[in-house]
Amino acid sequence: GEDVEQSLFLSVREGDSSVINCTYTDSSSTYLYWYKQEPGAGLQLLTYIFSNMDMKQDQRLTVLLNKKDKHLSLRIADTQTGDSAIYFCAEKNSGGYQKVTFGIGTKLQVIP
Amino acid sequence: DAGVIQSPRHEVTEMGQEVTLRCKPISGHNSLFWYRQTMMRGLELLIYFNNNVPIDDSGMPEDRFSAKMPNASFSTLKIQPSEPRDSAVYFCASTPRVAGGLYEQYFGPGTRLTVT
Repeated sequence: GEDVEQSLFLSVREGDSSVINCTYTDSSSTYLYWYKQEPGAGLQLLTYIFSNMDMKQDQRLTVLLNKKDKHLSLRIADTQTGDSAIYFCAEKNSGGYQKVTFGIGTKLQVIP
Repeated sequence: DAGVIQSPRHEVTEMGQEVTLRCKPISGHNSLFWYRQTMMRGLELLIYFNNNVPIDDSGMPEDRFSAKMPNASFSTLKIQPSEPRDSAVYFCASTPRVAGGLYEQYFGPGTRLTVT
């Protein structure tokens, strides 16, 4: 079955880069996602990458995908205190339904 | 659109009581998901529906949990009887049907359940 793993906690200083890592097991993944959860709120899609891509950049965000190693990362450049949140890695397999498998979430703490 | 609506936002109840959580998905979305979030276990998928039909309920922890989706605009998650270990934040999410689409899940604000 599908499984998504990520570390629980990351602490960085404001202005530094943050890198959040994730591994997944399903080789039939079509989309891989990063969702962000701010305190007291639901998850919100932050960015995504299609499985035939290696990299995607969106302003301060860079997503890297290594399909061979089933490894996904999210880099946040110039991390700000507003980036403090829980970041969830998720994957969608090639199945017909819209189910997405989420990781446990990485809590990013930005120190001013 | 108002987004996914969940009610109540907070629920405090005593052990043994019945609890009903409600969700209104975004209009036009055809899949609905119920999740539970705790510090210890993270985000767990409880059940999901496609076109109002339950597809996978393998994440429902026990027979005390049940979910229904009587129509495309409403779903309930019921816990009867409730226990302290059910205390968690329960999220509802919906996804639109778009051929070849992104399958983005839109989450509600959650219901924080406390069972004493």
